[in-house]
Amino acid sequence: GAGVSQSPSNKVTEKGKDVELRCDPISGHTALYWYRQSLGQGLEFLIYFQGNSAPDKSGLPSDRFSAERTGGSVSTLTIQRTQQEDSAVYLCASSLVGTDLYEQYFGPGTRLTVT
Amino acid sequence: GENVGLHLPTLSVQEGDNSIINCAYSNSASDYFIWYKQESGKGPQFIIDIRSNMDKRQGQRVTVLLNKTVKHLSLQIAATQPGDSAVYFCAENINGQGGSEKLVFGKGTKLTVNP
Repeated sequence: GAGVSQSPSNKVTEKGKDVELRCDPISGHTALYWYRQSLGQGLEFLIYFQGNSAPDKSGLPSDRFSAERTGGSVSTLTIQRTQQEDSAVYLCASSLVGTDLYEQYFGPGTRLTVT
Repeated sequence: GENVGLHLPTLSVQEGDNSIINCAYSNSASDYFIWYKQESGKGPQFIIDIRSNMDKRQGQRVTVLLNKTVKHLSLQIAATQPGDSAVYFCAENINGQGGSEKLVFGKGTKLTVNP
């Protein structure tokens, strides 16, 4: 079946502009995660959605970052007034909560470059 | 603060040799650990996981060892192949806000397999 998809695959934007990144999780997966990966670095947790529960936003680096998940499926990560330090690969993952496994399936990521 | 890190940022091995990638963690409450493989331009891919009530778990050509006494995790790859070349991340599961599940990733080890 289809995996996690993300769009766009690459995004170049000017400093100060807003960007929206999209994630389509695996159908039926109730949990959705956003991570940020800077060049040569590990994954930095940003936000986590699980069903109808309030999202865990503890990883969002500033109030310029926000995310929503509509209908329990597609999610959009929005970065307002982008800064050069926002340049990174943004990864989305989904998982099937309710099993005894926490395996997350990752999308290919969106590479964001802020000029 | 709590963190998951790696002893070696890079590892180069000859094809056919065994590889060992190490990871140290500091959150003694973590009860679940995962190894991910990330190839260039792709999202991380699940390799193997282990729960804290286990010391060892084997998969196909891979073995994960957990030493809770020294908070150390390792991934062993048998008969390493060129296709194993990638960055390997360990991750630990911790509870986020409101009981959500969250993975904390290490910085990664780049494995290069020489033919």
